[in-house]
Amino acid sequence: QKEVEQNSGPLSVPEGAIASLNCTYSDRGSQSFFWYRQYSGKSPELIMSIYSNGDKEDGRFTAQLNKASQYVSLLIRDSQPSDSATYLCAVKDTGNQFYFGTGTSLTVIP
Amino acid sequence: DAGITQSPRHKVTETGTPVTLRCHQTENHRYMYWYRQDPGHGLRLIHYSYGVKDTDKGEVSDGYSVSRSKTEDFLLTLESATSSQTSVYFCAISESIGGGKASYNSPLHFGNGTRLTVT
Repeated sequence: QKEVEQNSGPLSVPEGAIASLNCTYSDRGSQSFFWYRQYSGKSPELIMSIYSNGDKEDGRFTAQLNKASQYVSLLIRDSQPSDSATYLCAVKDTGNQFYFGTGTSLTVIP
Repeated sequence: DAGITQSPRHKVTETGTPVTLRCHQTENHRYMYWYRQDPGHGLRLIHYSYGVKDTDKGEVSDGYSVSRSKTEDFLLTLESATSSQTSVYFCAISESIGGGKASYNSPLHFGNGTRLTVT
């Protein structure tokens, strides 16, 4: 069973702070890694994808990948109340399957 | 939603009845997936398809069947619905990028979901 683990939270940060979300995965052969945001009652939407070790930045979002430690993280800088949502970590295996963590609930307090 | 339509959006059915959920895409993507989402379990893969008439099981496939007769349509069928199948069902699509050993899947893009209640 391939597993993706996330802290369920809830994680609360004040507006303007940095939110840090973490994810570990069990399948060492995993190749592709994704962060999705899901608002209550809505479908997941892609925030970031990362395929190689290191950091990838996109606006206020930075994804970090460490394949040796089987760890991927998402940093949200200058957090806004609109960032309040559940964040899902997803991992694609060497085949065609995508596995998801249970999500971390983030609340940004104005 | 990247040209993905799920129908119906909501359905209430009785235990023991058959139910079919439809996913329709206009992106001509090769891969299509059915997930269910439940509190405490996150998104779990039911079945996926890697081409017309090519499907494979996911981690929670028991009680579900799928069919893909056209690139754009992927059907999920509950042959005899049970209360444990009450859930939100999401369809997602992905495409293969590149070729040979360098190919990889594009990220999943999701439909709006179907909320199914089995009473």
